[in-house]
Amino acid sequence: KAGVTQTPRYLIKTRGQQVTLSCSPISGHRSVSWYQQTPGQGLQFLFEYFSETQRNKGNFPGRFSGRQFSNSRSEMNVSTLELGDSALYLCASSPRLAGGVQYFGPGTRLTVT
Amino acid sequence: SQQGEEDPQALSIQEGENATMNCSYKTSINNLQWYRQNSGRGLVHLILIRSNEREKHSGRLRVTLDTSKKSSSLLITASRAADTASYFCATERKSNTGKLIFGQGTTLQVKP
Repeated sequence: KAGVTQTPRYLIKTRGQQVTLSCSPISGHRSVSWYQQTPGQGLQFLFEYFSETQRNKGNFPGRFSGRQFSNSRSEMNVSTLELGDSALYLCASSPRLAGGVQYFGPGTRLTVT
Repeated sequence: SQQGEEDPQALSIQEGENATMNCSYKTSINNLQWYRQNSGRGLVHLILIRSNEREKHSGRLRVTLDTSKKSSSLLITASRAADTASYFCATERKSNTGKLIFGQGTTLQVKP
């Protein structure tokens, strides 16, 4: 099976712009989670989707949003970008909601200037 | 806030030596997982240990879990230069969600 794919892999945006990141899970996986990784804060949970429903949300401002489609693909959106949003955004998929391994994609490196 | 605390933050050893990393956490968990990350790339799952398990092996990896002390350790035996990476523990709490809470990670350098 193909692994988790994320597009784009690299992105440079300007403060105030918005960005949409995409994640395609492993075929058959219905759970998709998003994480932000920065040198200062480490890996932090953003949100989790299962069967098109957001099941859990991390402690991030409302500028961060996401959704999941019927084919389990997921997108996350960040509006009004700030310099501090520069990070590696990782998507992970799992066949079930809890209790299992999460398979991570290669990440999208977002740089906000 | 991060639930997991890992130590050491950095570890440098020679090829062939063993590497031990420790992880502590704060709340009751469903399972604890260890991941590896090479140079800012995606995370690779190494091993998952459930809260009712005490020890698990996978190849050169040995993980222990002590729920009374809320701690875990990852042992890599006979290390190789290719093991150079950052290692993270992640806990999944006792709830119907797959949310993982990561530690800050241990950076391992294995010198040839």
